[in-house]
Amino acid sequence: GAGVSQSPSNKVTEKGKDVELRCDPISGHTALYWYRQRLGQGLEFLIYFQGNSAPDKSGLPSDRFSAERTGESVSTLTIQRTQQEDSAVYLCASSLVFHEQYFGPGTRLTVT
Amino acid sequence: AQSVTQPDIHITVSEGASLELRCNYSYGATPYLFWYVQSPGQGLQLLLKYFSGDTLVQGIKGFEAEFKRSQSSFNLRKPSVHWSDAAEYFCAVGAGQGGKLIFGQGTELSVKP
Repeated sequence: GAGVSQSPSNKVTEKGKDVELRCDPISGHTALYWYRQRLGQGLEFLIYFQGNSAPDKSGLPSDRFSAERTGESVSTLTIQRTQQEDSAVYLCASSLVFHEQYFGPGTRLTVT
Repeated sequence: AQSVTQPDIHITVSEGASLELRCNYSYGATPYLFWYVQSPGQGLQLLLKYFSGDTLVQGIKGFEAEFKRSQSSFNLRKPSVHWSDAAEYFCAVGAGQGGKLIFGQGTELSVKP
């Protein structure tokens, strides 16, 4: 079946602009996760959704970052007033079986 | 706090040689452990996982890993490396009730002919 998809695959934006990143999880997966991967780094957890609620937002780096999920499906990660340090690959993952996460291809965000 | 350490940033092995990538974790309870591989321009692919039971787990592409509680380690092994195994390898521990993954910094594997 279809895997996790993310859009756009690449996004270039100017400093100070807002961006929205989209994740379509595997159908039926109740858990959804966002991670960030800076160049040459491991992945950092950002936020976790169970259904449409977000019981763990501990990884969001600042209040410029927010996320929502609707219909236990699509999720959107929004970064307001982007800064150059926000440049990274943003990865989404979904899971059905607890802890086994399937990752999307990521969105590469470049803030100029 | 939970953490994962991959001591080797970059490893180079010859094609056909054996491989061992190291991973040490810090976690208070019984860990859920994972190895993922990331090829250039690709997303992360799960190689194998340990939840409980047999401490030697088999994964895809001929990889295996051994969980050693006494050493807090979960090293990844492959008896004979292929050129297509060149990639970045990440060890991760599942943490908290939500199962978020705590990743190591990754080990880049190069394979020479």
